[in-house]
Amino acid sequence: QKEVEQDPGPLSVPEGAIVSLNCTYSNSAFQYFMWYRQYSRKGPELLMYTYSSGNKEDGRFTAQVDKSSKYISLFIRDSQPSDSATYLCAMSVGVKTSYDKVIFGPGTSLSVIP
Amino acid sequence: GAVVSQHPSWVICKSGTSVKIECRSLDFQATTMFWYRQFPKQSLMLMATSNEGSKATYEQGVEKDKFLINHASLTLSTLTVTSAHPEDSSFYICSARGGVPYEQYFGPGTRLTVT
Repeated sequence: QKEVEQDPGPLSVPEGAIVSLNCTYSNSAFQYFMWYRQYSRKGPELLMYTYSSGNKEDGRFTAQVDKSSKYISLFIRDSQPSDSATYLCAMSVGVKTSYDKVIFGPGTSLSVIP
Repeated sequence: GAVVSQHPSWVICKSGTSVKIECRSLDFQATTMFWYRQFPKQSLMLMATSNEGSKATYEQGVEKDKFLINHASLTLSTLTVTSAHPEDSSFYICSARGGVPYEQYFGPGTRLTVT
């Protein structure tokens, strides 16, 4: 079993739809959860991070963490064509030292159709 | 967010030659830098972690003699692919972590093609 699993998609939605992206993980020690967006042939860009369980909202984006289920989600409201990208979930046990490695999911490819 | 640059963005080299890729943190001091490799439609694979002034720590299966990493200053790390072969062709991305613990910023990546 991989440490972090994510449905690779591709996921195609109409403009304005609510998008739900999800990851599951196996390591219960993970405490920090992040979502990155990666456009084609570009480096990943940090969208949101969450510590431990709970929700966090930033504009059209909401991140949810359910540690009891080892499940995290990213919701995108009022999706736009510019949201078309690959979304990578990432997580780590800690974030302060060089030994704190971030483990990435394989990414979900999202296309928002105008 | 903070800015991390990489140079070159794209390089083609002949088999057997060496290629150096630079990673710079432009507006913060990167105490730790990470080098990743990414194949098409796959996730990021961590190759090594480096701290300024220290030897890099390589992940299992990554040849340290082939992928030379130098983190000479708080704003610069280099990855040298020595004696490159076609199977080394990939997208190499660096990442830097600075003062804010949870924030890890990525460079734009370097696409290496070995012919």
